[in-house]
Amino acid sequence: QSALTQPASVSGSPGQSITISCTGTSSDVGGYEYVSWYQQHPGKAPKLMIYAVTYRPSGVSNRFSGSKSGNTASLTISGLQTEDEADYYCSSFTTTGTYVFGTGTKVTVL
Amino acid sequence: QVQLVQSGAEVKKPGASVKVSCKASGYDFTNFHIHWMRQAPGQGLEWMGIYTCDSRIIYAQNFQGRLAVTRDTSTTTVYMELSTLTSEDTAVYLCAREIPGAYHLDDYWGQGTLVTVSS
Repeated sequence: QSALTQPASVSGSPGQSITISCTGTSSDVGGYEYVSWYQQHPGKAPKLMIYAVTYRPSGVSNRFSGSKSGNTASLTISGLQTEDEADYYCSSFTTTGTYVFGTGTKVTVL
Repeated sequence: QVQLVQSGAEVKKPGASVKVSCKASGYDFTNFHIHWMRQAPGQGLEWMGIYTCDSRIIYAQNFQGRLAVTRDTSTTTVYMELSTLTSEDTAVYLCAREIPGAYHLDDYWGQGTLVTVSS
C-alpha cells in the first residue's frame, strides 16, 4: 500500500485560504467516505481535524473544511492564522481493511 | 481520564526485536480498537497495524511477517513487537484509539516510544 500523495509544502499569508490535496486510488480515497485529516505540531501527537471527508470534530475551528472528488481529497484552511502552522496528514481506510496515511504537508504562515 | 501510556525508549542492535507496550486506562478497553503507527525522524506518519475490539489483527503489507500486535485484557495493554530490526526502523512508535465504526483515530494517543536501531 503506497502512501497517499500530498504536496510537501503549502504557504499563505494570515487571513488567506489554502488547500491541501491528498491523492490516492479507487482502493482507498476514491472507494470510501473514510478520509480523515490530522494536524501535528512539532513534538506533539497528531490532532484530528476532519473525519469522514467533511465532518469536523467538536472544538475544531470552522475555518477547517474537507471535501473529496474522485480519488483526491482536500483540506481547506480559511482565514489562515499563525497557529495553523504545522504538518498536516490525510488518512484513508482501504479495501484490504488497512489504513494509509498521506506523505504529509508542511503549512507555513508567511 | 482516558490515557494511553507507552513503555520507555529502547536501543536495539540490527537483527534484534523490540516490544513496545501501550497501557490504556480511563475507558472500557475492550470496546475500542488500538492502532499502531510510527514516525521516523523528520518523516511522516506510517500506519502499521490494528488490534480491533473483537480481536481481529490487521497488519500493513509492509510489515507482514515481522510485526506482531497482541492484547492482554487483564492489564488493559496492547503490545507491538517488531522483529529483524534495521536502521530504517529507527522511529517514534505511537499507539492511538479508534471508536469502532468511526474509521479514524480520535484524540487519545500514547506519548510515543523512541526505538533506536544502531550497531
